[in-house]
Amino acid sequence: AQKITQTQPGMFVQEKEAVTLDCTYDTSDPSYGLFWYKQPSSGEMIFLIYQGSYDQQNATEGRYSLNFQKARKSANLVISASQLGDSAMYFCAMREGPGGYNKLIFGAGTRLAVHP
Amino acid sequence: DAGVIQSPRHEVTEMGQEVTLRCKPISGHNSLFWYRQTMMRGLELLIYFNNNVPIDDSGMPEDRFSAKMPNASFSTLKIQPSEPRDSAVYFCASSLFGYGYTFGSGTRLTVV
Repeated sequence: AQKITQTQPGMFVQEKEAVTLDCTYDTSDPSYGLFWYKQPSSGEMIFLIYQGSYDQQNATEGRYSLNFQKARKSANLVISASQLGDSAMYFCAMREGPGGYNKLIFGAGTRLAVHP
Repeated sequence: DAGVIQSPRHEVTEMGQEVTLRCKPISGHNSLFWYRQTMMRGLELLIYFNNNVPIDDSGMPEDRFSAKMPNASFSTLKIQPSEPRDSAVYFCASSLFGYGYTFGSGTRLTVV
């Protein structure tokens, strides 16, 4: 069963505008972690932001924020003030269980293109 | 901190040959993961280790694939014999108690 779903294969946004990348997840474990990674054309995997299932507030890291809606099991990434350098693949990932000895599983990714 | 170090960056080999990919995790991290990325299948977890012990190898595609972690600072992923369908980017990642997963730069494997 698909545990991480990213329904947008591709998205585009105008430079300086905000964009939301969707992610839904499926787990019965009360303790889990949600991650977003960026993969530019150079290929490296860059960690962006983390949200724990018990965190009360949505995570933010600079221009990145995570819109965490636990009841809907969604963890959308919001990028504010898009820049040309934000053009990349973006992956949502989930770790089930508390931190410790758990694997990270990924969604299929969303390719974001930022237009000038 | 040098990050997760993978070698080689690129590997081109002929079908039937043995291929060994190498990974040095971040010092102090207790978990190590091997992923494979292809256009068709995305990012797949192949195997992961905790404290050098293999925990879950359910993602290893078949017996041609094997992975070892002889100590906390080194792991290998071996494919023997290699096939063209093994062509992919192989990532190694390490983590400290699952709160941060750092990826290496990957090894691009081409089997001809």
